[in-house]
Amino acid sequence: AQSVTQLDSHVSVSEGTPVLLRCNYSSSYSPSLFWYVQHPNKGLQLLLKYTSAATLVKGINGFEAEFKKSETSFHLTKPSAHMSDAAEYFCVVTPGTYKYIFGTGTRLKVLA
Amino acid sequence: DAGITQSPRHKVTETGTPVTLRCHQTENHRYMYWYRQDPGHGLRLIHYSYGVKDTDKGEVSDGYSVSRSKTEDFLLTLESATSSQTSVYFCAISGASTDYNEQFFGPGTRLTVL
Repeated sequence: AQSVTQLDSHVSVSEGTPVLLRCNYSSSYSPSLFWYVQHPNKGLQLLLKYTSAATLVKGINGFEAEFKKSETSFHLTKPSAHMSDAAEYFCVVTPGTYKYIFGTGTRLKVLA
Repeated sequence: DAGITQSPRHKVTETGTPVTLRCHQTENHRYMYWYRQDPGHGLRLIHYSYGVKDTDKGEVSDGYSVSRSKTEDFLLTLESATSSQTSVYFCAISGASTDYNEQFFGPGTRLTVL
C-alpha cells in the first residue's frame, strides 16, 4: 500500500533563509512523486515531479527535491525563501494510472 | 495553465437539497477526478473517471454520485446535501499515455451546506 507523511504541518522561516519541507513515503511499487503548492483560495499547482530519471529534481520558483530511496524521503528545499512562497505544500505519491495519495499538507509561513 | 473550469465557484445551500458541481476540461485528458479538501485531511478522492461513462469510487464516495457523458465534462452530484459535505471541491485531470502523469487542478468550488 502507498502512503505519504508530511512531517510538519506548519513551518515558519524568515525571508532569505532556506526552506525545508519534509515528506516520507511508503510504496510497494517504484513510485512517482510530486510536490504541489496551493496559494490561498487557489487550486493546486505542480512544483516538481520525480519519475525515476534524476534523483535531484528541479522545479519552478527555485524549488528542488531529492529522492532518497534508502530513506524513503522526498524533501522539498529552496535556498532562500521569498514572501511569495507563503502557501500550503502537498507531497503526493502515485504508483501510476489513476491513484494519487496526498499528504496532509505543510503550511509555510515566511516572516519579513 | 491547463484548461479546467469549475462551476459554480461558490455555493450556499440548505441541508437536504440536491447539488450538482460541474468540471469542464479543454485538454482531452482521459482521467478526471473529484476531490474534497478539508483542514487536516489534505485532498481526499471522491470519485474518478477513466473514460466516458466509466467511473469508480474513491475513498469518500458515500453521499456522492458522478456522471461523465462527454470527455470534457465530469459532474459531481450530492443527492441530498448534508452539513458534513461543506468543503472545498477540486476537479483534476490527468492523461493516460504514461505511468507518471501529473494531475492538473481546477480552481475549486467552495460549498457551504447550512
